[in-house]
Amino acid sequence: AQKITQTQPGMFVQEKEAVTLDCTYDTSDPSYGLFWYKQPSSGEMIFLIYQGSYDQQNATEGRYSLNFQKARKSANLVISASQLGDSAMYFCAMREGRGQAGTALIFGKGTTLSVSS
Amino acid sequence: NAGVTQTPKFQVLKTGQSMTLQCAQDMNHEYMSWYRQDPGMGLRLIHYSVGAGITDQGEVPNGYNVSRSTTEDFPLRLLSAAPSQTSVYFCASSYSGMRSQPQHFGDGTRLSIL
Repeated sequence: AQKITQTQPGMFVQEKEAVTLDCTYDTSDPSYGLFWYKQPSSGEMIFLIYQGSYDQQNATEGRYSLNFQKARKSANLVISASQLGDSAMYFCAMREGRGQAGTALIFGKGTTLSVSS
Repeated sequence: NAGVTQTPKFQVLKTGQSMTLQCAQDMNHEYMSWYRQDPGMGLRLIHYSVGAGITDQGEVPNGYNVSRSTTEDFPLRLLSAAPSQTSVYFCASSYSGMRSQPQHFGDGTRLSIL
């Protein structure tokens, strides 16, 4: 079973609009971290935002916010006021425990966001 | 301000050849990992290390070896390259293996196996 599911292969949005990228996860570990990364066409991986499983409030970083619904096991990324430079692939990822072997960061398959003017 | 450095950036191999992808970080990070990225598959974890001398397998370890003799370096070895190993490889590191730690990524190595 997939640990991280991103059901939207592609999303399209106009500049200045808000967009939500969906992410659901599956874990039996009560302690985990959720991350979003951006990969522009140049290929580098850019860390955007983090949410801990015990955090009471949704994480925010500038125009990025994470809509964390623990009971539904969802961690959607909201980008407000989209810009042309937001066009990229976006990955949701989860870091969960592996016992004495530490933790592993597992990624979803990604969502391609296209922002038009 | 190097961060995570991967070499080479591009490589073409013939089936059956071996090679080592290099990864070095200068941030004194304990945790390092290797991923491969294939179209439509996201990033899949190959191997990871929680510190010098300690490594473990990820989701897709077959055909790859790793070792961690120093904190700084985490090379990935392809023992006998196969066309199925054509991919973009990313090395990443974080200060620790704690669940709150984001990983910092290198720029990737694009590997083609003919």
